[in-house]
Amino acid sequence: EPEVTQTPSHQVTQMGQEVILRCVPISNHLYFYWYRQILGQKVEFLVSFYNNEISEKSEIFDDQFSAERPDGSNFTLKIRSTKLEDSAMYFCASRIAGGFNEQFFGPGTRLTVL
Amino acid sequence: DQQVKQNSPSLSVQEGRISILNCDYTNSMFDYFLWYKKYPAEGPTFLISISSIKDKNEDGRFTVFLNKSAKHLSLHIVPSQPGDSAVYFCAASANDGNKLVFGAGTILRVKS
Repeated sequence: EPEVTQTPSHQVTQMGQEVILRCVPISNHLYFYWYRQILGQKVEFLVSFYNNEISEKSEIFDDQFSAERPDGSNFTLKIRSTKLEDSAMYFCASRIAGGFNEQFFGPGTRLTVL
Repeated sequence: DQQVKQNSPSLSVQEGRISILNCDYTNSMFDYFLWYKKYPAEGPTFLISISSIKDKNEDGRFTVFLNKSAKHLSLHIVPSQPGDSAVYFCAASANDGNKLVFGAGTILRVKS
């Protein structure tokens, strides 16, 4: 069964460093998402992506974040200058089409900022 | 942001019995509702969904009920199995889009 994959599974970085989290969505899906879950808190929407551009972003997704689809298969989330409060699980998700279709989530990347 | 609320942090059920997980929402623009199951150190796994034009959707042991007037939905698992023990998240989206808004989750423990 097709699945969303994410790399790395765990990333440790120093505050102020840049990180790139990578995702390979399900191959025939058209919509892509990043979410995060800070320990003990809800899963929060960050950004959605369709047709090679951002379609919606949350208040959390400020100038330090960017999302790209650099090629036909990968989907990335870049955090330019990490802060301690960026420590969280980051989940990528994809959806086949608009309308009433579920999002499928990857296993997540645990980001630890020291 | 409390648009989707799961007021029960945890639920414990005996194997073979029914598990009922509840979810309330406040945003009347939500028209699509989903339940996800999550194990530690894994991503959410889609279970079942319902659109606002229906009041019930069934898939095997899982049934979701939607009461639009009460802005309430519930997930029924019958019969419950020990492998169902996980965190269950309710999520909602509005207007054919995009983002999912999640509840805080309910930890289900099924005892054998």
